[in-house]
Amino acid sequence: QQQVKQSPQSLIVQKGGISIINCAYENTAFDYFPWYQQFPGKGPALLIAIRPDVSEKKEGRFTISFNKSAKQFSLHIMDSQPGDSATYFCAASRVIKAAGNKLTFGGGTRVLVKP
Amino acid sequence: DTAVSQTPKYLVTQMGNDKSIKCEQNLGHDTMYWYKQDSKKFLKIMFSYNNKELIINETVPNRFSPKSPDKAHLNLHINSLELGDSAVYFCASSQQGRTEAFFGQGTRLTVV
Repeated sequence: QQQVKQSPQSLIVQKGGISIINCAYENTAFDYFPWYQQFPGKGPALLIAIRPDVSEKKEGRFTISFNKSAKQFSLHIMDSQPGDSATYFCAASRVIKAAGNKLTFGGGTRVLVKP
Repeated sequence: DTAVSQTPKYLVTQMGNDKSIKCEQNLGHDTMYWYKQDSKKFLKIMFSYNNKELIINETVPNRFSPKSPDKAHLNLHINSLELGDSAVYFCASSQQGRTEAFFGQGTRLTVV
């Protein structure tokens, strides 16, 4: 049972365009929703994250939109650059103080930004 | 550099062998994790340790045994390696009560 579903699996966008990646989750106990960026041969790196009490969070060219009632959240990459070409993972977790942060990941989206 | 570091980066071994992957973090975190990324890039948690105590143990074959000698280290020992164990294994760390988790560069394990 995949608790976090991510789409699309791959995405090609022109330089300067907008990349949009969507995720849907099932477990309403989740209270933390990060996005990770992974380059080939590297580990996932935290890009931006949101809590469910906020509907949108923006950091530079990256924006998370969150819809609690629909149990969906999305990543928008504005003014996409070739250096943004990577695999993006959404994730969700319920942060329990004594149990750490067990991340449940989506399946990943490979983004290719064409110059 | 402050980081989560894993050794080795690549590991090629034959079926049936026993191997270990080491992880160290110098971020001062008290919680460490092992994640497995399969050939389709799907990431799934395997184990989590908090202050050297096992707190998350997903449905992982008992051929996999994590060991945490101290808060800064979490090793993964795998017995009787199988072809299906081929994957990239990531170590990660976080601080109790905080959300950010930091990942190492991964260990690509290939079982032949």
